[in-house]
This record gives sequence, C-alpha cells and structure tokens, in this order.
Amino acid sequence: GAGVSQTPSNKVTEKGKYVELRCDPISGHTALYWYRQSLGQGPEFLIYFQGTGAADDSGLPNDRFFAVRPEGSVSTLKIQRTERGDSAVYLCASSLDSTGARAQYFGPGTRLLVL
Amino acid sequence: QKEVEQNSGPLSVPEGAIASLNCTYSDRGSQSFFWYRQYSGKSPELIMFIYSNGDKEDGRFTAQLNKASQYVSLLIRDSQPSDSATYLCAVTGSGANNLFFGTGTRLTVIP
Repeated sequence: GAGVSQTPSNKVTEKGKYVELRCDPISGHTALYWYRQSLGQGPEFLIYFQGTGAADDSGLPNDRFFAVRPEGSVSTLKIQRTERGDSAVYLCASSLDSTGARAQYFGPGTRLLVL
Repeated sequence: QKEVEQNSGPLSVPEGAIASLNCTYSDRGSQSFFWYRQYSGKSPELIMFIYSNGDKEDGRFTAQLNKASQYVSLLIRDSQPSDSATYLCAVTGSGANNLFFGTGTRLTVIP
C-alpha cells in the first residue's frame, strides 16, 4: 500500500517568509508525528496528533511553528518568519495509533533551506 | 532530558561478518525500542522493534534488549555492502508516544 507522502520534497525560501509543509499519512493510521532532522543528527520530535487534536506539541521550538490536522488525516506544518536556523529536513511519520508500542513509518521528508 | 547514546562510528566490517551496533538510553521508564536504517539523503526506514528483555530475530537482524542495563543492540549477520547506512536507535519515553533518537552509527560494509 501507499506509504507516508510529503510535499514539497524541497523548499527554498528567504529569511522572514512563511512556509507550509504537508504530510499525508498511511491510510488508516490515526497517529501522525512531525520530526526535524539536521545534518549528522537523529530526528528531533516536534509534535504529534492523535486524530485531529495535537496530543503533544512539546517539541515545537517556538511560537513560529504551528501544525494542524483538521480532518484527522492530512497534516500541515506551518512556519512563520522563517530563520536560517530552521533549515533542516522535516520528517513526518504515522502509526496505527498512538500506543507507545506502535511502530512509526516515515515519509521521504521535506528538505527546507532558508536563505 | 531523555538521552539516547550511540557511537557515531564509522564502523567498518568486511562483507560476511557480523556488525554489532549499540545504544544506551537514560530513561528507565522507556518501554519500546526501535532500530531504523537511514541511507544517505533518504528518510529512516524501520528495521526492527523490541519491547521485552532478551533477543528478537528477524532474518539477518537480531535486536537485543537489557532494560536493567538500559542497553539495546542490533546485530547484523552476514553483512552485505547494501547494509552500509546510518543506523538510528530510537526509544519511547515513559508516558510519551514520540520517539527519542540517537545520533546514529554509520556502518560501512567493505566488499
């Protein structure tokens, strides 16, 4: 079946601009996670959704970052007033549910470059 | 701060040998443990998960968990050049469903 998809695959923007990154999880997966990965590091948790609600947004670095999942499927990560330090690969993952034992499957990521 | 530690490597093994990858974690309440493989420029791909102390085998891969020592490892038997990648250890924290990742160990299998 289809895996997690993310668009765009690459995004180049200028400092101060607004960007939206989209994630479409595996069909039937109710839990959706956003991570950010910088070069040479492991993925770093940002936020996760169980259904439509953000169950844990403790990883969001500041209030410039926001994510929504209005219908419990597709999610959008929104970054306002982008900074050069926001440059990273943004990964989305989904799992069958949010039980801690569930395996998370990652999408291909969106590579964000802020100039 | 939950920490997951891995030797960054690089770890080099000859083709056909056993590769041993190690990971320690700081949160004694962690319940679930995952190994992901990540090729350069690609996203993490799930290899194995383990929840209980002991060994779990899947083909050429064996995951080992020792909760008392807060240690999890991945053995790759009959290593192949296609196994060359970065291997990420990930754990769930107590009371949390998100994953905490190590920085990964870069493995090179030499033909």
